[in-house]
Amino acid sequence: QSALTQPASVSGSPGQSITISCTGTSSDVGGYNYVSWYQQHPGKVPKLMIYDVTERPAGVANRFSGSKSGNTASLTISGLQAEDEADYYCCSFTSTSTFVFGTGTQVTVL
Amino acid sequence: QVQLLESGGGVVQPGRSLRLSCAASGFTFSSYAMHWVRQAPGKGLEWVAVISDDGSRTHYADSVTGRFTISRDNSKSTFYLQLNSLGAEDMAIYYCAREGPGDNWSMLDYWGQGTLVTVSS
Repeated sequence: QSALTQPASVSGSPGQSITISCTGTSSDVGGYNYVSWYQQHPGKVPKLMIYDVTERPAGVANRFSGSKSGNTASLTISGLQAEDEADYYCCSFTSTSTFVFGTGTQVTVL
Repeated sequence: QVQLLESGGGVVQPGRSLRLSCAASGFTFSSYAMHWVRQAPGKGLEWVAVISDDGSRTHYADSVTGRFTISRDNSKSTFYLQLNSLGAEDMAIYYCAREGPGDNWSMLDYWGQGTLVTVSS
């Protein structure tokens, strides 16, 4: 159950697009379409942003989108806004019916 | 609306035990799997455990297997995490979270506010 690998930090200017990668193995990310993404502002509770690789829960802005290729999933934020500055975590179901989170990515809006 | 309220956190000595509770409301509790997730101070999220809707299936992170036990009481819309043999590495905010609807386990769609467990002598 090693944590999924994410870049420690990603930054962009308002209006730009950024992409956060999440790399696992064939036993988790690559083996199931059960990757989710969570946004966490400092001192706040995590919020579900993407589930089942590409699906957005009701109320989440369509600026957020997800994808997957092989063992790597990605979260793209288009039209970056100041309120998007937060930590982002990916999460995947695994072959042992457990879950594993990513190492987390700090997004900075320049 | 969906609400999850954790309780039971506090300061505990190394090697001792603690039981966390998560009271659910606003949805049919007995129809959902439930999770515990923790976050050490200044660190990332770590998934801890999941229990199926009827309590018949439980799964744990390797880091807590054999020390932690997840359980639920559907008549009380509450589930629990028993923490035994606590060490410094277990000090964290513990969040309870609901698995999404459907038969497949794939997301944590609602989260509680968290309860802090401090391990200190």
